[in-house]
Amino acid sequence: SQKIEQNSEALNIQEGKTATLTCNYTNYSPAYLQWYRQDPGRGPVFLLLIRENEKEKRKERLKVTFDTTLKQSLFHITASQPADSATYLCALRDTGRRALTFGSGTRLQVQP
Amino acid sequence: DAGVIQSPRHEVTEMGQEVTLRCKPISGHNSLFWYRQTMMRGLELLIYFNNNVPIDDSGMPEDRFSAKMPNASFSTLKIQPSEPRDSAVYFCASSLGDAEKLLFGSGTQLSVL
Repeated sequence: SQKIEQNSEALNIQEGKTATLTCNYTNYSPAYLQWYRQDPGRGPVFLLLIRENEKEKRKERLKVTFDTTLKQSLFHITASQPADSATYLCALRDTGRRALTFGSGTRLQVQP
Repeated sequence: DAGVIQSPRHEVTEMGQEVTLRCKPISGHNSLFWYRQTMMRGLELLIYFNNNVPIDDSGMPEDRFSAKMPNASFSTLKIQPSEPRDSAVYFCASSLGDAEKLLFGSGTQLSVL
């Protein structure tokens, strides 16, 4: 069966450190993968999109990698800040489908 | 643009009642998505419209759920009759093209008692 797996346990890190979140998938052939941020009581907010032929994408303090062999994406936040505390969702578009499927998300808590 | 607008923000109803959720997508976006979020199942796609036409409704749980998009600026999701297990946050999202950079509304928190 198809699965998108993100660590369900919260990730707690100290301010200034790099946060690394993992997204693994099985039985998908994604055309691209996206990362979203969700704050309590709000809808998800788009952060980054990485395509199947791209290895890495950066945007300010954010970096995403995409390994289609390992079927894994890593999401990094460098120099983390308490304001980065939120739930981060990965989502992918399967080549056989035109809509996004989301993982369950990982909650990040950055301690001051 | 004010973003994707959903109403109501909160809805509390009794089992068996009809519930209608509303969404106004971003002007110019040609794709609209309805998702449902629960703690147990996460964010699930219910239905996807492209140019006002339903493309993928495989996520609609059962016949009690229906969705319409009569024009490019308005969509509804209706549940009739509602059941307690329908309690969730319902999100509407829109995009330009197929699922690239979805912009979400603030959601409707539905509680069915």
